[in-house]
Amino acid sequence: RKEVEQDPGPFNVPEGATVAFNCTYSNSASQSFFWYRQDCRKEPKLLMSVYSSGNEDGRFTAQLNRASQYISLLIRDSKLSDSATYLCVVNYNSGGYQKVTFGTGTKLQVIP
Amino acid sequence: DGGITQSPKYLFRKEGQNVTLSCEQNLNHDAMYWYRQDPGQGLRLIYYSQIVNDFQKGDIAEGYSVSREKKESFPLTVTSAQKNPTAFYLCASSIAPLETQYFGPGTRLLVL
Repeated sequence: RKEVEQDPGPFNVPEGATVAFNCTYSNSASQSFFWYRQDCRKEPKLLMSVYSSGNEDGRFTAQLNRASQYISLLIRDSKLSDSATYLCVVNYNSGGYQKVTFGTGTKLQVIP
Repeated sequence: DGGITQSPKYLFRKEGQNVTLSCEQNLNHDAMYWYRQDPGQGLRLIYYSQIVNDFQKGDIAEGYSVSREKKESFPLTVTSAQKNPTAFYLCASSIAPLETQYFGPGTRLLVL
């Protein structure tokens, strides 16, 4: 089993739709979690951190489910500009050193 | 302006040649990272450094070397031992391990 898994998509959704992505992780000792957005041929940019209590930033909501070992990203009222690849990141500490793993990403295409 | 810079944007390598990719940050971050991204793939960690004069191998360190002599700088050398170096190389930094990573614009390396 991969350490971090994402559905590669693509998710093709109409403007205004709500879409959700999940990201599962295998290490129960994982400590910090993030969602990044990556546009074609560009660097990843932080979308939001994921906290145990869940967090919201405008149209975006991130949640962590430790029992089932996944994080989720919900996008409401999708815009054309939301079209991108969404990467999840999972970190844990191993023997005093950081272990960071990126998912392979979920591609979102918002259609007019 | 605070941020992470990478140079060059494009780099061409001849067979058997070593090349060095530059990464500089003025964010006063302790941790720095190098990733490789192949087309349609996720990010894979090459090396990371949690503090000056210390660095650790990531998942795909073979054929690469790094140094961390200054807090601001974390250059990556792609050696001739790396048989398939063509990829998009991304440098990132974070204030501390396990914290949010911020990425530079990347360097595309092509083999002639």
